[in-house]
Amino acid sequence: DGGITQSPKYLFRKEGQNVTLSCEQNLNHDAMYWYRQDPGQGLRLIYYSQIVNDFQKGDIAEGYSVSREKKESFPLTVTSAQKNPTAFYLCASSLQGQGPLGYTFGSGTRLTVV
Amino acid sequence: QKEVEQNSGPLSVPEGAIASLNCTYSDRGSQSFFWYRQYSGKSPELIMSIYSNGDKEDGRFTAQLNKASQYVSLLIRDSQPSDSATYLCAVNLNFGNEKLTFGTGTRLTIIP
Repeated sequence: DGGITQSPKYLFRKEGQNVTLSCEQNLNHDAMYWYRQDPGQGLRLIYYSQIVNDFQKGDIAEGYSVSREKKESFPLTVTSAQKNPTAFYLCASSLQGQGPLGYTFGSGTRLTVV
Repeated sequence: QKEVEQNSGPLSVPEGAIASLNCTYSDRGSQSFFWYRQYSGKSPELIMSIYSNGDKEDGRFTAQLNKASQYVSLLIRDSQPSDSATYLCAVNLNFGNEKLTFGTGTRLTIIP
């Protein structure tokens, strides 16, 4: 079945560490997105990519980095510069050029600073 | 002013009644509108999309769009306990760019 896989489901980060969240899709979608959700809050856009080897900053990109070397993969690195990384991270994908049909979301990664 | 605004709730509705969820948006150029349902600890799932003024019905769900008033709503008829969730409104500005801006969500509780 086609879908988006995020891993790990839970992740713990020590102070000063960089951690990488994985996002893989087999839907042949062109665009991929990373959102952050804090308790009781909506989704805030971190980064997005519409084609391979290209990506744009979202509203809260500081302290995060991404790469898009393959169409299927869009990993997110939470760097030590991100001072408050504890949150629920959601990856999504969508088709391009056919009008917005909405996103398909992965199941999310819950990141906690210890 | 936030780009997409929703009443955070919680909104409590008796089982079998109609639940009405509202969303306003600030950008008049917005073209497409979506409602997502999110259960606690889970990822959002798309339940409705609407692009033109008026009503769009899908089963027990009706989305309503009024671009002049910059207002989109979701009605849930015959509310069931399984409808208890947070409902997120999302807005897209332009066709060709599928980037969505989300509201903070409304928490809905259906009371048996």
